Amino acid sequence: EAQVTQNPRYLITVTGKKLTVTCSQNMNHEYMSWYRQDPGLGLRQIYYSMNVEVTDKGDVPEGYKVSRKEKRNFPLILESPSPNQTSLYFCASSTDRGRRTYNEQFFGPGTRLTVL
Amino acid sequence: RKEVEQDPGPFNVPEGATVAFNCTYSNSASQSFFWYRQDCRKEPKLLMSVYSSGNEDGRFTAQLNRASQYISLLIRDSKLSDSATYLCVVNKGNYGQNFVFGPGTRLSVLP
Repeated sequence: EAQVTQNPRYLITVTGKKLTVTCSQNMNHEYMSWYRQDPGLGLRQIYYSMNVEVTDKGDVPEGYKVSRKEKRNFPLILESPSPNQTSLYFCASSTDRGRRTYNEQFFGPGTRLTVL
Repeated sequence: RKEVEQDPGPFNVPEGATVAFNCTYSNSASQSFFWYRQDCRKEPKLLMSVYSSGNEDGRFTAQLNRASQYISLLIRDSKLSDSATYLCVVNKGNYGQNFVFGPGTRLSVLP
């Protein structure tokens, strides 16, 4: 089954304790993104990746890191989480089907993170 | 001003009604446009892309007005299963992957 998976789905942690949220897709997609969703603000893009070893900042990258060492994986790293990073996080992937800017994004199920 | 704005909602409509969603975007360089649907606590899913000529998919019609930087979605003969939050999405065009989501408009279709 074609899918985007995220782990963990739920996480409660404390300020300053480094954590990684994993994202994996089995569709051989080139593009992957991370978003956070907060009430009243909608989804905001944190980072995106065009392909292996190619990443760029989205609109809210502060406090986050990403890496793309393999095509299928795009982990999100919080080196020193803070309470304002409490949010619902989504990973997404898409592929270039000749109309690059009209790619459909496939989203993972989300990771609900609470930082105390 | 937010980059992508939508009707604040929520919209509560009876089954069979026609409902229209509006969206405006501020970046005139935006390249592509979409409507996504998000059910409560679930991941967003693509409803339809929005092309300059307008496009229709069954009960759903999307329109784009680049001059006014305005996007619309019309749902005809609404069903209970249409209840969800509708997200307007704009691709700002940096390598084709810099997406901006509107805050969403919630729709409840009532029996």
